[in-house]
Amino acid sequence: DTGVSQNPRHKITKRGQNVTFRCDPISEHNRLYWYRQTLGQGPEFLTYFQNEAQLEKSRLLSDRFSAERPKGSFSTLEIQRTEQGDSAMYLCASSDRGGLGYGYTFGSGTRLTVV
Amino acid sequence: AQSVTQLGSHVSVSEGALVLLRCNYSSSVPPYLFWYVQYPNQGLQLLLKYTTGATLVKGINGFEAEFKKSETSFHLTKPSAHMSDAAEYFCAVSDPRTGTASKLTFGTGTRLQVTL
Repeated sequence: DTGVSQNPRHKITKRGQNVTFRCDPISEHNRLYWYRQTLGQGPEFLTYFQNEAQLEKSRLLSDRFSAERPKGSFSTLEIQRTEQGDSAMYLCASSDRGGLGYGYTFGSGTRLTVV
Repeated sequence: AQSVTQLGSHVSVSEGALVLLRCNYSSSVPPYLFWYVQYPNQGLQLLLKYTTGATLVKGINGFEAEFKKSETSFHLTKPSAHMSDAAEYFCAVSDPRTGTASKLTFGTGTRLQVTL
């Protein structure tokens, strides 16, 4: 299966620690998105890459958050100095040049718990 | 700015009954509209989408939705509920003017419970 892959599936970390998540998009997709979903809420847009360029960042993406997509392939999302409020499901999605109309596919997410 | 309102955070129906999940949107231009389903501890799966053309859209698993511009609505329906339909459903919109940006704005979701 060549869907969107996210690792790890679950991460438990102590407050103040740094964490990094990885997303491997569908290979032919040049666009990659990160969303955050807290309990009982819908996903909220965090950031968007077209190839290796980060083209948009939400105000939700504080200075403690950084995302990269080197070489326009996989992407990483790092959270520094985690806080309990960072506990959420982090979802990655990718799409091809057609954008929303074509192949916008979500991964299964990484669930972060900050204790 | 765009927004989505899903009326009813929880909906319960009997197996075989009609499913109706409500979605209203706010947008300065006719948006692209989507319904996604999420099973526990899984990502989002696209049920159906409206971009242009016919306002009645058919999706997977027997679901359909109708875009009503005058009512700014995009309600999701299924004639006969099945136990396997129990899940969280999210309505989402996107501004077609953003072109390649393609980010989605989601509602808060409706949890569908199907009883025997």
